[in-house]
Amino acid sequence: KQEVTQIPAALSVPEGENLVLNCSFTDSAIYNLQWFRQDPGKGLTSLLLIQSSQREQTSGRLNASLDKSSGRSTLYIAASQPGDSATYLCAMEYGNKLVFGAGTILRVKS
Amino acid sequence: NAGVTQTPKFQVLKTGQSMTLQCAQDMNHEYMSWYRQDPGMGLRLIHYSVGAGITDQGEVPNGYNVSRSTTEDFPLRLLSAAPSQTSVYFCASSYRGYEQYFGPGTRLTVT
Repeated sequence: KQEVTQIPAALSVPEGENLVLNCSFTDSAIYNLQWFRQDPGKGLTSLLLIQSSQREQTSGRLNASLDKSSGRSTLYIAASQPGDSATYLCAMEYGNKLVFGAGTILRVKS
Repeated sequence: NAGVTQTPKFQVLKTGQSMTLQCAQDMNHEYMSWYRQDPGMGLRLIHYSVGAGITDQGEVPNGYNVSRSTTEDFPLRLLSAAPSQTSVYFCASSYRGYEQYFGPGTRLTVT
């Protein structure tokens, strides 16, 4: 069974700090990996998609990497801001199915 | 583009009642899916479809039915609601291998 684990479960940092969110998966036969943001009571917003042939993607202050051999992905957030406070979810696509991690709750303090 | 829309936003059902959660997308995506999100459990796949007329089960399909008669619509039917189906339900769509777009969700309470 494919499993996705996110560490840490929660993180609180001061504004301006660079931070890394971690995601690990048990089955390296992934099709692609996607990072999402979820604000309280809202739906999921796609942040970055890394296809299996790629190693990283960047969008503004966000950079996501994928290492299939070690079963890991990281989301790097540069110069964090209070508006970055949300739950961050990673999801692996296997065949036609997305398998989600439980998420990391991020709080950026001003 | 409206993206992915879901109705209703909120619903309260009594045990044993049935209902249909609606999902529609206007992006001509072939792939659509339904997830439920529960505290501490993350999002889990209920059913998915890779095109009109084609559906398949996900991780937690029991108690739910789906059909896909058009590319745009993918309704989720609860046959006989149970308290264990209290959850937030999300619909998503995508092109195969590309980013998935999620709807705003339906909060369902079964009493």
